[in-house]
Amino acid sequence: DTGVSQDPRHKITKRGQNVTFRCDPISEHNRLYWYRQTLGQGPEFLTYFQNEAQLEKSRLLSDRFSAERPKGSFSTLEIQRTEQGDSAMYLCASSLGLGGGAFFGQGTRLTVV
Amino acid sequence: TQLLEQSPQFLSIQEGENLTVYCNSSSVFSSLQWYRQEPGEGPVLLVTVVTGGEVKKLKRLTFQFGDARKDSSLHITAAQPGDTGLYLCAGDSGGYQKVTFGTGTKLQVIP
Repeated sequence: DTGVSQDPRHKITKRGQNVTFRCDPISEHNRLYWYRQTLGQGPEFLTYFQNEAQLEKSRLLSDRFSAERPKGSFSTLEIQRTEQGDSAMYLCASSLGLGGGAFFGQGTRLTVV
Repeated sequence: TQLLEQSPQFLSIQEGENLTVYCNSSSVFSSLQWYRQEPGEGPVLLVTVVTGGEVKKLKRLTFQFGDARKDSSLHITAAQPGDTGLYLCAGDSGGYQKVTFGTGTKLQVIP
């Protein structure tokens, strides 16, 4: 297992377009997190899953954002009608959910022009 | 809502100096993690501390978990330019609680 994998690493899109990111967690990890991070700041929680169940979604997340983890393995994060303010690094992490911490992917850098 | 406050937010020091970064919360965590992040990359897990009062060492880095498991510190001895980065603490309460991240400490070590 090579760790948490995110695809794509970089995405440039025009304002108003939809984008979808994928995250493949560490295989035995049942918990998967999505975070957003802007330059120099700590990761901002978006949502997380325990297996296929979405347990919590940040109130900061508008209706344009949706995340799925259909089979409890990989996850997708979709942003509809992108805005310039959506430009950020989107990080995915996974964990066993046993208090041992989370492991991160390398992130997807989104630029909305 | 669980909050983790890190201090200082920014630190610029000369190579060879020592430094300490603090991570404080009013919440109790079952474990606490420290991460280091370089620009354009995801955070990399450095250490997990689990037991109150626990001290872990990773080369020139020393991590301590507070007795009450609400706070932690990271001490770097003889800092080097390669230590430059964003240091993040994160608390994991276990159960169905999410991992909560601190506000981050941006460290710059000047050669």
